[in-house]
Amino acid sequence: QQQVKQSPQSLIVQKGGISIINCAYENTAFDYFPWYQQFPGKGPALLIAIRPDVSEKKEGRFTISFNKSAKQFSLHIMDSQPGDSATYFCAASISNSGYALNFGKGTSLLVTP
Amino acid sequence: GAVVSQHPSRVICKSGTSVKIECRSLDFQATTMFWYRQFPKQSLMLMATSNEGSKATYEQGVEKDKFLINHASLTLSTLTVTSAHPEDSSFYICSARGPWGGQGKTYEQYFGPGTRLTVT
Repeated sequence: QQQVKQSPQSLIVQKGGISIINCAYENTAFDYFPWYQQFPGKGPALLIAIRPDVSEKKEGRFTISFNKSAKQFSLHIMDSQPGDSATYFCAASISNSGYALNFGKGTSLLVTP
Repeated sequence: GAVVSQHPSRVICKSGTSVKIECRSLDFQATTMFWYRQFPKQSLMLMATSNEGSKATYEQGVEKDKFLINHASLTLSTLTVTSAHPEDSSFYICSARGPWGGQGKTYEQYFGPGTRLTVT
């Protein structure tokens, strides 16, 4: 049972454009929402994360928007670059149950020159 | 900081043999380590959670006698795939969470580079 639903499955964006990936969850006990970037054959790398007490967090070109009432969160990549082409995973965890991550299915992002 | 290594990066073994994969936190003490499995073009599936000095907690459907996990120190966890079969071929990734204090960092999990296991 997928506890975190991620969309779209794949995304093509032109260089300089904005990439937007969305995730939704049902379990209101989730209290930590990270995004990971994974290149082929590599482990995931933590990009940015948010807790539900804030609605937005920005780090460089990456922004997480969080809507607690809708149980949705999204990743925005501004000024997308070809080097951003990778698979992106959203995840959620519960702090008092060991922080094990529940991952979305992933979004394959291709940024064209 | 927060670097996690895995060894080996790739391993090929014959059916019926056992394989050990090491996961190390290089610059921090890992309170908890996690083992994931990832099939091609799929998401990460949590296999087990291990805390230093205690038995691992396995996810439903993961055979604990087949996937032996040992977390003997705060910087090392091992996954042993016993009597491996071709269906065990996969990408195995560990992650580690430190005992950091302070707002935010307590939750951060860092992943190793993964181990590609091929069972022939």
